[in-house]
Amino acid sequence: DIQMTQSPSSLSASVGDRVTITCQASQDISNYLNWYQQKPGKAPKLLIYDASNLETGVPSRFSGSGSGTDFTFTISSLQPEDIATYYCQQYDNLPITFGPGTKVDIK
Amino acid sequence: QVQLVQSGAEVKKPGASVKVSCKASGYTFTSYYMHWVRQAPGQGLEWMGIINPSGGSTSYAQKFQGRVTMTRDTSTSTVYMELSSLRSEDTAVYYCARSLHIAAASDYWGQGTLVTVSS
Repeated sequence: DIQMTQSPSSLSASVGDRVTITCQASQDISNYLNWYQQKPGKAPKLLIYDASNLETGVPSRFSGSGSGTDFTFTISSLQPEDIATYYCQQYDNLPITFGPGTKVDIK
Repeated sequence: QVQLVQSGAEVKKPGASVKVSCKASGYTFTSYYMHWVRQAPGQGLEWMGIINPSGGSTSYAQKFQGRVTMTRDTSTSTVYMELSSLRSEDTAVYYCARSLHIAAASDYWGQGTLVTVSS
């Protein structure tokens, strides 16, 4: 199975700050990586697919980059509604696996 | 609009089975795969498996092999996930989520079904 790691596990930032989360795969997954946002008590929401493509309707302050084993997710200007846990997910191989998540809150 | 509506919360005793449903609407049911993902309280997301509603073929995570069965009913556009031999560690919210290909992003998710396993 492909193992996914994320860092940091949590972060606290101010409104308007640039926030960056990294995700690393245990082997090359090309660009077969997605990013999801999950708010408490809600289902995950797809934000970024294929490493860098913004899902329709998702604000442009969210972005993703990377390929191979190293990926980055960025919120260019943190907003109060961005408080959530963010997960990366690889789908290069079954079983699909998720990173452990990064909890983002407001300082 | 696309909707995935799951069945309600369940409470089960250890050793029992649970069957969760996920009814799809707003799209061609057989054109999208359906995944099942679970989340234990305070924990991360765990992929359980996938079903192709078109032919019914499935692929399960090794961890759940022998305990999970995913089926579909094309007449009602509903997929089912049955988990047997329940133990306390199976207490979780179970989600269905569709994807266009077997390996692709899940763009729509169900609302989740809480399954509690307790004696």
